[in-house]
Amino acid sequence: DVKVTQSSRYLVKRTGEKVFLECVQDMDHENMFWYRQDPGLGLRLIYFSYDVKMKEKGDIPEGYSVSREKKERFSLILESASTNQTSMYLCASRDTGGGTEAFFGQGTRLTVV
Amino acid sequence: QQPVQSPQAVILREGEDAVINCSSSKALYSVHWYRQKHGEAPVFLMILLKGGEQKGHDKISASFNEKKQQSSLYLTASQLSYSGTYFCGTEIRSTLGRLYFGRGTQLTVWP
Repeated sequence: DVKVTQSSRYLVKRTGEKVFLECVQDMDHENMFWYRQDPGLGLRLIYFSYDVKMKEKGDIPEGYSVSREKKERFSLILESASTNQTSMYLCASRDTGGGTEAFFGQGTRLTVV
Repeated sequence: QQPVQSPQAVILREGEDAVINCSSSKALYSVHWYRQKHGEAPVFLMILLKGGEQKGHDKISASFNEKKQQSSLYLTASQLSYSGTYFCGTEIRSTLGRLYFGRGTQLTVWP
């Protein structure tokens, strides 16, 4: 059974803290994604990675960075967490080749206080 | 880059039909449809690749008009289990690999 695993379901952090959200996939997929989900705004792409150490900005990269040192792991970093980054964060992966489906993790509900 | 989905919300009785639309301003390579239930991860329903392609999944089907960059999801004889938020995801020809999702359509089916 294919799996995308996010390290935490719920996280509470203080303003200004550096926050790491981890995502691991076991399907040997080249492509990995970080999305942010907010009510009424849907899923917005933060960052996309198509290979180890390769990354591209999505629609809302400000305040975020990513790291992909190994193929199976894609980390989202909030350099200095702010309250407007309180949200649900979803990681996804998919194989290379157009038209392949994406597999999602369970999500991390991050609250910044 | 987000595709535009409509309507935002649909309320149905069991057995009724619904259509959810998705459109993009960019030339599309593929359109994906996912359903998300409350507190769960989005789950894949289907992918459409070619112009005019139609696919089916139980009583849920979809079409893709490549020329208009539009897709529609058809839910026929809806069941209670169809309730959830439906997202279309689009893969743009100029940026293959990336998936952009719409704002979602919240579907509620009542008995």
